[in-house]
Amino acid sequence: SQTIHQWPATLVQPVGSPLSLECTVEGTSNPNLYWYRQAAGRGLQLLFYSVGIGQISSEVPQNLSASRPQDRQFILSSKKLLLSDSGFYLCAWSGRRRAISGANVLTFGAGSRLTVL
Amino acid sequence: AQSVSQHNHHVILSEAASLELGCNYSYGGTVNLFWYVQYPGQHLQLLLKYFSGDPLVKGIKGFEAEFIKSKFSFNLRKPSVQWSDTAEYFCAVTAGDKLIFGTGTRLQVFP
Repeated sequence: SQTIHQWPATLVQPVGSPLSLECTVEGTSNPNLYWYRQAAGRGLQLLFYSVGIGQISSEVPQNLSASRPQDRQFILSSKKLLLSDSGFYLCAWSGRRRAISGANVLTFGAGSRLTVL
Repeated sequence: AQSVSQHNHHVILSEAASLELGCNYSYGGTVNLFWYVQYPGQHLQLLLKYFSGDPLVKGIKGFEAEFIKSKFSFNLRKPSVQWSDTAEYFCAVTAGDKLIFGTGTRLQVFP
């Protein structure tokens, strides 16, 4: 069965420090991968998604970047964290979008809570 | 741009009351619609989905949702809620390879 792992679960970082959140998926190949940020009252904001190795689509301009060095690995990074980067970050995967239904069902990881001080 | 609106931000009900959570979307293409639920301390999980066919879809735990294309809506319903339904509910729409979420509705059910 497929599983998704996300780490670290909790992170406290000073302003200006770098960030690396990692997400890996097991039990599937060629997944679509996603990074979301969840904030109270704002729902889930899509930050990045990837349909293949090295292919990254950015949804919102921000201080963060994403990379996909391997098929089942998705990394969220920052060179210099801002206070506003604090939040709960969720990684998710889905199978390839089917040509007929065009539907994706996302499976989410447990999330990473980042606090920037 | 694609968007999803959930107008009920916080709903408080007593057990056995009926529930309807509103969801409206804005997307010009073919849509696939979802409701996800996040129980306290747990992962987000799929509650139900609409791909095609019968616009009334049934999900887990007695939930159902109706896709009304003319109203761009996909409201979630349950005839009689339970305390264990206390959670945050998110409506979402597929736009190409992306899944766009609404802001969520926090449901509290009191015994």
